[in-house]
Amino acid sequence: QVQLVESGGGVVQPGRSLRLSCAASGFTFSSYGMHWVRQAPGKGLEWVAVISYDGSNKYYADSVKGRFTISRDNSKNTLYLQMNSLRAEDTAVYYCAKTTVPWGQGTLVTVSS
Amino acid sequence: DIVMTQTPLSLSVTPGQPASISCKSSQSLLHSDGKTYLYWYLQKPGQSPQLLIYEVSSRFSGVPDRFSGSGSGTDFTLKISRVEAEDVGVYYCMQGIHLTWTFGQGTKVEIK
Repeated sequence: QVQLVESGGGVVQPGRSLRLSCAASGFTFSSYGMHWVRQAPGKGLEWVAVISYDGSNKYYADSVKGRFTISRDNSKNTLYLQMNSLRAEDTAVYYCAKTTVPWGQGTLVTVSS
Repeated sequence: DIVMTQTPLSLSVTPGQPASISCKSSQSLLHSDGKTYLYWYLQKPGQSPQLLIYEVSSRFSGVPDRFSGSGSGTDFTLKISRVEAEDVGVYYCMQGIHLTWTFGQGTKVEIK
């Protein structure tokens, strides 16, 4: 079954860090680039970051550049998003995504004191 | 960055009637490989986005044939031939020609 399952969200204070994970199954994870997309409460979809199939290339939205790091472990079929120096405006549901794979339910990150 | 502009931003439709959403990109989405990387997603209330259409006009697995996509270059359209109650939600277009995806603002579809 083709599936993406995100985890690692929670409530965190401004300035702190959090690491999100995304477990992939049902497709050859190591052959595809993977993305993180987020959705703030009541807002639209915002692309966050992408990583190439082998991890050699990474790109970020300007809003997270220098604070977030995308990575992957192809031996574990898992995608990660390390989020540092979190801000209130990072509060959102975070989805890992690939275009022709059904999105998971996402993981909620709330940045609040 | 490629800007994606959807119109209208909201739509109220009588069940059984057609509906249409437009999406315009600030740059051509035609890749040198011959494919055009325009996608349509539907986010139903309380759910994650689900892929409806990929590469302008290909329906994703399990998507009813009342949904169709068309267009080329920078102008694209999603059509629902006969709207059903289960079609309510927010529709997003997305460009995938660049690794740095961008989404339209979303079009909220509701039933009259």
